[in-house]
Amino acid sequence: EPEVTQTPSHQVTQMGQEVILRCVPISNHLYFYWYRQILGQKVEFLVSFYNNEISEKSEIFDDQFSVERPDGSNFTLKIRSTKLEDSAMYFCATHPAGYSYEQYFGPGTRLTVT
Amino acid sequence: AQSVTQPDIHITVSEGASLELRCNYSYGATPYLFWYVQSPGQGLQLLLKYFSGDTLVQGIKGFEAEFKRSQSSFNLRKPSVHWSDAAEYFCAVGAASGGGADGLTFGKGTHLIIQP
Repeated sequence: EPEVTQTPSHQVTQMGQEVILRCVPISNHLYFYWYRQILGQKVEFLVSFYNNEISEKSEIFDDQFSVERPDGSNFTLKIRSTKLEDSAMYFCATHPAGYSYEQYFGPGTRLTVT
Repeated sequence: AQSVTQPDIHITVSEGASLELRCNYSYGATPYLFWYVQSPGQGLQLLLKYFSGDTLVQGIKGFEAEFKRSQSSFNLRKPSVHWSDAAEYFCAVGAASGGGADGLTFGKGTHLIIQP
């Protein structure tokens, strides 16, 4: 069964550094999302992406964050200057075209900012 | 704005006993509703979903959920739990309108503990 994959599984970075988290969506999926989950808390929506542009973003998704699909396969989340509070699990999710809201989640990337 | 409330932070159930996890949502129109399960250190796996139609939906692993519009609830049930069901369970709501790229709103989760 096709799966969403994410790399790396764990990233440790120093405060102020830039990080890029990568997601490979399921091949026929056209809607892409990033969520984050701070340890012990609920999953929070960050941003959705469709047709090569941001569709919706939450108030968490500020100017430090950006997303792109640089090569038509990977979907990336960039954090320009990481803060301690960016430490979290970041999940990518995707779903096919149309009004299917069944989002398929990747295994996540654990980001630790020191 | 939509919101999801899972009133039980922890629930402990004996193996073989029945289970009900509560979920209440707030949304101005017809919602799309989901239950996800997360095992320690793992991603989110979809258990079941409600879009429309029959208000009792069946999911994987023997789970079911019932949508009750009058109560704004979407409770998850299982008649007999197994030790492998121990995990974190998240209820989520999505907008049933718009262009299809709306993010899900999750509840805070319920941690299920299974006693032998």
